Amino acid sequence: EPEVTQTPSHQVTQMGQEVILRCVPISNHLYFYWYRQILGQKVEFLVSFYNNEISEKSEIFDDQFSVERPDGSNFTLKIRSTKLEDSAMYFCASGQKETQYFGPGTRLLVL
Amino acid sequence: AQRVTQPEKLLSVFKGAPVELKCNYSYSGSPELFWYVQYSRQRLQLLLRHISRESIKGFTADLNKGETSFHLKKPFAQEEDSAMYYCALNTGFQKLVFGTGTRLLVSP
Repeated sequence: EPEVTQTPSHQVTQMGQEVILRCVPISNHLYFYWYRQILGQKVEFLVSFYNNEISEKSEIFDDQFSVERPDGSNFTLKIRSTKLEDSAMYFCASGQKETQYFGPGTRLLVL
Repeated sequence: AQRVTQPEKLLSVFKGAPVELKCNYSYSGSPELFWYVQYSRQRLQLLLRHISRESIKGFTADLNKGETSFHLKKPFAQEEDSAMYYCALNTGFQKLVFGTGTRLLVSP
């Protein structure tokens, strides 16, 4: 059964550095998402992406964040200048309509 | 405001006991509700969606619009059901709103 994959599984970075989190959605899915989960808190929506553009984003998804689907298979989340509070588990998801399928997550630690 | 409430952080039961994980939602439109499960060190997996009205691994959930609830039930819990359970609301705007999750612990 096809699954969403994410790389890396863990990333440690210094405050102020740029990070790129990568996702390979399920191949026939059209909708793509990023969520994050700060330790001990709920899973929070960041952004949804459809037809090569952002369809919705949350207040968390400020100018420091961007998403891209560079080659028709990968879906990336870039954080330009990481802050300590960006430390979290980042989940990618994909879907065809209302149901979303999640990747295993990337644990980001900002020092 | 769209909100999902899971009042129990931890639910501990013995094997064979009935389980009910509570979920209430707040949404003025027509909701689509889901239960996701996360076993230890694994990804979030879709367990149930209310539009399917199906039973997966013995779990069922019924949408009660009057009580704005979507409680997850299983008549006889198994040890392998131990996991984190998240209720989620899709408001039709391409995002899921999650509850804080309930950890189910099934003891032998």
